[in-house]
Amino acid sequence: AQKITQTQPGMFVQEKEAVTLDCTYDTSDQSYGLFWYKQPSSGEMIFLIYQGSYDEQNATEGRYSLNFQKARKSANLVISASQLGDSAMYFCAMSSPTSGTYKYIFGTGTRLKVLA
Amino acid sequence: AAGVIQSPRHLIKEKRETATLKCYPIPRHDTVYWYQQGPGQDPQFLISFYEKMQSDKGSIPDRFSAQQFSDYHSELNMSSLELGDSALYFCASSTSGLAVTDTQYFGPGTRLTVL
Repeated sequence: AQKITQTQPGMFVQEKEAVTLDCTYDTSDQSYGLFWYKQPSSGEMIFLIYQGSYDEQNATEGRYSLNFQKARKSANLVISASQLGDSAMYFCAMSSPTSGTYKYIFGTGTRLKVLA
Repeated sequence: AAGVIQSPRHLIKEKRETATLKCYPIPRHDTVYWYQQGPGQDPQFLISFYEKMQSDKGSIPDRFSAQQFSDYHSELNMSSLELGDSALYFCASSTSGLAVTDTQYFGPGTRLTVL
């Protein structure tokens, strides 16, 4: 069965420091996509970064990078130089052929609080 | 850049009433997904459409139905509303929904409250 696991319900980080949010996944598919979304208290889901299972390089988007370790089935999000505006809920999601139309399966999320 | 539009943003209904949620995908996106996010929970897939045809179905109650129209907008119809239907309903769109590389872009959500 396909599954996304986020083991950190909540995390704190000091402003300007880096933080890593953990995500592990389970799938029997060879081809799949891993995504991270940010959900502020206002509720919208903001796309941050994507990693394909065949991508050899870790994805980066500005202050966001994805530490992809395929053998360990992990896709951790790294946020560098945290800002107060980074305080939000973060969801890891996966799409894969087994899920049919590549709908997302989400983890339970990690609530990040950035401290001034 | 154009984003996914959802309307209404907030909706308050009584039990047993009906509700219609609308979604306008990003231009040239032909795939629409609907998700339901209960309080403190992760989003759960309800249903999806590709090129105006239903492409997949998740844990969507029989009281709910949806369709995608010729202009690619989609509507989620909910009847006999129950208290447990109170949630944030997201619509997301993607370019084809046929590859793992397709990123889904989410609308702002419709917050439904059933009293």
